[in-house]
Amino acid sequence: SSELTQDPAVSVALGQTVRITCQGDSLRSYHASWYQQKPGQAPVLVIYGTNNRPSGISDRFSVSSSGNTASLTITGAQAEDEADYYCNCRGSSGDHMMFGGGTKLTVL
Amino acid sequence: QVQLQESGPGLVKPSETLSLTCGVSAYSVSTDYHWGWIRQPPGKGLEWIGSVYHTGSTYYNPSLKSRVTISVDTSKNQFSLKVSSVTAADTAIYYCTREAGGTTDHRIDYWGQGTLVTVSS
Repeated sequence: SSELTQDPAVSVALGQTVRITCQGDSLRSYHASWYQQKPGQAPVLVIYGTNNRPSGISDRFSVSSSGNTASLTITGAQAEDEADYYCNCRGSSGDHMMFGGGTKLTVL
Repeated sequence: QVQLQESGPGLVKPSETLSLTCGVSAYSVSTDYHWGWIRQPPGKGLEWIGSVYHTGSTYYNPSLKSRVTISVDTSKNQFSLKVSSVTAADTAIYYCTREAGGTTDHRIDYWGQGTLVTVSS
């Protein structure tokens, strides 16, 4: 498959842990990166590779990978984590990138 | 701090060519990195359009490859996007970006603020 699949929507209670998944054949060969987008704003890189976080990104964000699935975990979700989350990875041929469809995270 | 700024027409007629430029501050595009474009139709998800390496090598989304050209102008420290034969489906917010890393640590670490391009007669 040349696609990345994400659940359209996920919810989590304030302070609880939530996992957002991304599935695709290319994830067997390449690591994903993850982006957070809030309404009206450009996306922001939150984590990439094997748990690499840019400066200023909370260590509540972590990633894991198994087979064709990459997962973004938010431990102790906060209200400010409510956003759309996108995974990004190389296509199987390695010469282009692609995004998952995005997951809307609601913090209850 | 690297800054990216998109510029170009906000309205393009169907069948014409969409042209955008991204000005880069605080880093020379001729030094390293891939410089790319991503778009987002209103209310929808992100779509990677393509990128150009600092050497001029280009990489495109297979679904858009026949209509897209991305180039870099090192003399002006900017890069550009052209999408030909546009239709309403090309209406989107267009972001210019910087891509870093290789196969194990690829990421899009800088984004422009985005510019809305509407295709309409």
